[in-house]
Amino acid sequence: NAGVTQTPKFRILKIGQSMTLQCAQDMNHNYMYWYRQDPGMGLKLIYYSVGAGITDKGEVPNGYNVSRSTTEDFPLRLELAAPSQTSVYFCASSYSGTDNTGELFFGEGSRLTVL
Amino acid sequence: GENVEQHPSTLSVQEGDSAVIKCTYSDSASNYFPWYKQELGKGPQLIIDIRSNVGEKKDQRIAVTLNKTAKHFSLHITETQPEDSAVYFCAALPWAGNMLTFGGGTRLMVKP
Repeated sequence: NAGVTQTPKFRILKIGQSMTLQCAQDMNHNYMYWYRQDPGMGLKLIYYSVGAGITDKGEVPNGYNVSRSTTEDFPLRLELAAPSQTSVYFCASSYSGTDNTGELFFGEGSRLTVL
Repeated sequence: GENVEQHPSTLSVQEGDSAVIKCTYSDSASNYFPWYKQELGKGPQLIIDIRSNVGEKKDQRIAVTLNKTAKHFSLHITETQPEDSAVYFCAALPWAGNMLTFGGGTRLMVKP
């Protein structure tokens, strides 16, 4: 099994550009998440989804959008990129929600730089 | 909301020594506390977790302790090895929410 696959691994954007970070999982997990990791700041939840067609905001959703049309895929869209969005982005999935103490399985991350 | 503080931010130990990482949380009703390990260039991976009805849990060289009264929990790694070098994250699950709150991370370096 591939687990959680993220693309691209690295990307440089100019201010104002848009892009989509792709995330796919092959574990048939219902729950999927997007986190950003800033140096020394831990992991902050951007958006999450409890199943196809259902998404909800996390702690830092401004400037991002998500969709969940299938169980497998959970893309993260950045509109009008800003330098504050320079970060490492992690997609994760879990069989059950973390309120049921479901283990998170993370992808390898996507490093985004906005100049 | 829940706030999780993690210390130290960096920790350097000699191979074979023990390492301790501490986290405090603010929501006294939090009931689940996992620890994730992130190796260089990889995503975090769960290494051990503890629930609020347990005071200590061990898995080989790794142990986690929980003090609910003081609202803190710690990761203990004994007989450290170079492959233990990584960033470690603690997290807490607040009662009022259903999403984990992560600490800021600790970079552990084990010197051969």
